[in-house]
This record gives sequence, C-alpha cells and structure tokens, in this order.
Amino acid sequence: GAVVSQHPSWVICKSGTSVKIECRSLDFQATTMFWYRQFPKQSLMLMATSNEGSKATYEQGVEKDKFLINHASLTLSTLTVTSAHPEDSSFYICSARDPGRTNEKLFFGSGTQLSVL
Amino acid sequence: SQKIEQNSEALNIQEGKTATLTCNYTNYSPAYLQWYRQDPGRGPVFLLLIRENEKEKRKERLKVTFDTTLKQSLFHITASQPADSATYLCALRSEGDSWGKFQFGAGTQVVVTP
Repeated sequence: GAVVSQHPSWVICKSGTSVKIECRSLDFQATTMFWYRQFPKQSLMLMATSNEGSKATYEQGVEKDKFLINHASLTLSTLTVTSAHPEDSSFYICSARDPGRTNEKLFFGSGTQLSVL
Repeated sequence: SQKIEQNSEALNIQEGKTATLTCNYTNYSPAYLQWYRQDPGRGPVFLLLIRENEKEKRKERLKVTFDTTLKQSLFHITASQPADSATYLCALRSEGDSWGKFQFGAGTQVVVTP
C-alpha cells in the first residue's frame, strides 16, 4: 500500500529556534498533503492544506508566518515551525491523498513529537 | 459551530465480544465519513469509508453504519482481539469541502482484555 514517511519522529529544541518537519510520499505522487497538530487525547486539528507548486491554504486561526509550508515537489512537503515556543510543543502529523485512487483514503505519516524547551 | 463527538471514556471489553463506538455530529452535513485507527505516538491508519447514501459498510470484522437522520455513525468490532486495542477516530467531510479535507473527532480508546 501507499506509504507516507515523516521525519523526524521526535525533536527537542530551544525556544526561539526553527524546526523543519518533512513529509514524503514514497510510492505515489501527492499533489495535496495535509498538516495537523494533535494534543494528548484530543482530535487532529487540521492546520493547512499543502498544494504542490502553489501556496498552502491555512485554516482559520493558524499563523502562516509561524508555520511555513513548502510543497516544492510531488513527493515532499515540509512544515517549518519558526521561532518555536513551549506552546508550540505538540504532535504534528501529515497526510497525503493518492490521486491515483478513487477513494478518499488518507495516508498518514507516523508523526513528529515536538518539544520546545 | 460544527462539532464531532466521540465518547471520551475508554471502552474496556473482553476478548471475543463486540465493541461498539459512536460518532455523533452537529451542525454538519457530511457527505463522507471515515474511521481510522491510531496507536500511541503514531499516525492514524484508514479503516473504512462510508458515504451519506450508504447505510452500512463491512470489512472483515469491522462494520460501520451511517444514519444521517440521527446524525450518527456506529463502528463495530466483532470478535474483538487484544490486538484491536487502540484509539479509533471518526472523520467527516462535507460535499463542499475539498477532497481529503476531513475533520476529526477526538477518538475513543478501546482496550480489549484476554
């Protein structure tokens, strides 16, 4: 089946630094990827829709200058958390749709646990 | 505002029994509803999709129902096994939303004991 690889799986950083998270589709070309954050025992909150070759679409309340998304190729989307602060600590997950499939199955990465000190 | 509700209390069930989870929604007219499984520290894994014009879907030991009048979906795991222990998420998309843009519930944890 389709595989989405997310890296790193966890990262610890100092407050004020930037962190980049990568999401790759390994065996299909993902024109659209989604980025979420999840707090313990809470739902996945959609942050933005990443479209290859164009600007990302951010959900209401998500700061686009804080969470930079780049989808420069059909297999890679990156999320950069700029000037991270402790309140940005969370579990970040990406997902991708396989345009070759007719169903709406989303393939998720394994997630990145970000801890900002 | 739109709301998706899943039972926040863990469902403890004995091996071999049927686990039934609910997903209720308000201020929503979903055209598509999905169920995912999520293990701790991992991303969700797709299980089933059901459309608004479908009443029931089955896949192996899993069954999903979708009642747009009650605004509810039920998710059943029959002959449950300890390996079924995980958190199960429902996700909804309205017809007007773009493909793949689903909103998720918080999930219900299932614990299957031998």
